[in-house]
Formats: sequence, C-alpha cells, structure tokens
Amino acid sequence: EAQVTQNPRYLITVTGKKLTVTCSQNMNHEYMSWYRQDPGLGLRQIYYSMNVEVTDKGDVPEGYKVSRKEKRNFPLILESPSPNQTSLYFCASSIRTGLQPQHFGDGTRLSIL
Amino acid sequence: KQEVTQIPAALSVPEGENLVLNCSFTDSAIYNLQWFRQDPGKGLTSLLLIQSSQREQTSGRLNASLDKSSGRSTLYIAASQPGDSATYLCAVRPTSGTYKYIFGTGTRLKVLA
Repeated sequence: EAQVTQNPRYLITVTGKKLTVTCSQNMNHEYMSWYRQDPGLGLRQIYYSMNVEVTDKGDVPEGYKVSRKEKRNFPLILESPSPNQTSLYFCASSIRTGLQPQHFGDGTRLSIL
Repeated sequence: KQEVTQIPAALSVPEGENLVLNCSFTDSAIYNLQWFRQDPGKGLTSLLLIQSSQREQTSGRLNASLDKSSGRSTLYIAASQPGDSATYLCAVRPTSGTYKYIFGTGTRLKVLA
C-alpha cells in the first residue's frame, strides 16, 4: 500500500531535549515536505526537498533541520525544542512537484513543555 | 506575498444539499491549486488538483473550478452526505521559482443527517 509513515504519532517532551520525527514514503517520490498545522494559521511549510541531498527552506524553517540522505526518508530534527514548536506536524511527498498531488502522513502531535 | 483565504471557516448543511466551498488567493501567478480533505486526527487526502491552464476538474460528486484572473477557486459538492463532514483545505503552488505550497486555513463542513 502506498503510504507516508511518520513516527512517532504523539510525543510529549521538554524544552531543549533534541528530538527527531521520522518520515518515510514507499512511492519512490522525489519531492518531500514538512508542514506544521496550528489553529487559525493553517498549514505552513517548514522545509522541502526536491531530491536526495537537495533541501530548501519553507516559510517557517527557524528552529528546525532536515536531511535527505535517501530518497524514501526525510527526517525533521528539532535540535533544541521550545514550547512555540508545540504543534501538529505533517510530512508529505509527491512524484514531481506541481504535476501530481501530494500524499500526506497521518501527522505527529508534538507537545514541548 | 501570496495569501490564501477560505470563507466561511465553518458551515453546516442538511444532508442532500448541494454546496460550494470558496478559496481565494491574492496572486494569480500560480502553478496549480489543490483541494484537500482532512478528517479529525488524520492527515490530508488530496481531492482534486487543477493545473493553472485548466478551468475545472471533476471527481465523482466533486467539481473544482479555477479562475486565476480573479484569484478564486470553488469546490462544488453535489448531494452532500454525512460522510462528507470534514475540513476542506485549498493550497496553491506559486510560480515564483520556489517549490512551496501555500495553504488556506480551511472550511469545517458538517453535513447533518
């Protein structure tokens, strides 16, 4: 089954403790992206990747890092999480940006205390 | 800067009614527009993708139209059902040379049985 898998689905942690949210897709998609969703603000793009070793900032990249060492994986790294990064995070992928719809994971709810 | 607006934020309709959801964007320089559905606790499911050269797309009871010059898209749902209850989001990909997506904040639809 074609899918985008995020782990963990839920995480409660404390300020400053490094964490990684993993994202994996089994569709051989070149394009992958991370979003955060906050009430009243909608989805905002954090980082995206056009292919292996090619990443670029979205609209809200501060406080986040990403890497794309393999085509299928696109982890989101919070080196020193802060409470304002408490949010619902989504990973998405598509065959080629603009030509095919994005497929989304089920989301990761992060709470930073 | 591209902004995407969806009004109303919430809508309740009786079962069987035909309805229209609206999406407005401020900059007509877009590559495509995509409509998504989001169920509580779930990720986004792509419904329809309209390329900038197209005027509409149809899938089953759903029809999406695009008027780039006026910065508007509509999602028409025919013969609504309680199972259509969800949040509907639209997103545009600007042609500004990046590969970002800009999302609206969504319309929360409730179809009453």
